[in-house]
Amino acid sequence: QKEVEQNSGPLSVPEGAIASLNCTYSDRGSQSFFWYRQYSGKSPELIMFIYSNGDKEDGRFTAQLNKASQYVSLLIRDSQPSDSATYLCAVKGGDGSSNTGKLIFGQGTTLQVKP
Amino acid sequence: SQTIHQWPATLVQPVGSPLSLECTVEGTSNPNLYWYRQAAGRGLQLLFYSIGIDQISSEVPQNLSASRPQDRQFILSSKKLLLSDSGFYLCAWSATGRNTIYFGEGSWLTVV
Repeated sequence: QKEVEQNSGPLSVPEGAIASLNCTYSDRGSQSFFWYRQYSGKSPELIMFIYSNGDKEDGRFTAQLNKASQYVSLLIRDSQPSDSATYLCAVKGGDGSSNTGKLIFGQGTTLQVKP
Repeated sequence: SQTIHQWPATLVQPVGSPLSLECTVEGTSNPNLYWYRQAAGRGLQLLFYSIGIDQISSEVPQNLSASRPQDRQFILSSKKLLLSDSGFYLCAWSATGRNTIYFGEGSWLTVV
């Protein structure tokens, strides 16, 4: 059973701080990794994706991937109250199937940014 | 740009009644299409995916079915709903050969 694990939280950070969200996955052959943000009652929206080991930055967001440790994280700098949401980690397994969006999702981490 | 729409946004259905959720994608051709379900307190679960018209794969055995009568149209159906079918249903698409998926607005289903 391929799994993606996230701490459900809530993770509470003060406004302006760095929020660090973590995710581990079980399939060592996984190739693609995604972070989605989901506001309460809404559908998930893509924040960013990462394929290679290391860091990838996009504005206030940085995704970090360590395939050896099977670990992916999302850092949010200068956190704002509007960042309060559930963050979903998703992984495309290395099952050799054609490139499709058959992603495995974690249960998400709820982030609360307090003014 | 590409857009995805699904409807209805919310519905309350009695146990044993049928279900039809519809999803359409605009601005792209031959997309991969998906139906996910998010039950309360649980993660997103892939129900069906389709790589082309009438090419549908089921990921989880259940009393739901999916159809793709047109290239950019995906329909989720049930003949008889169960209480356990309640949840947030999400249609999604990805470009052919790509892993990144984009979700529609979602449909809240409550079976009573």
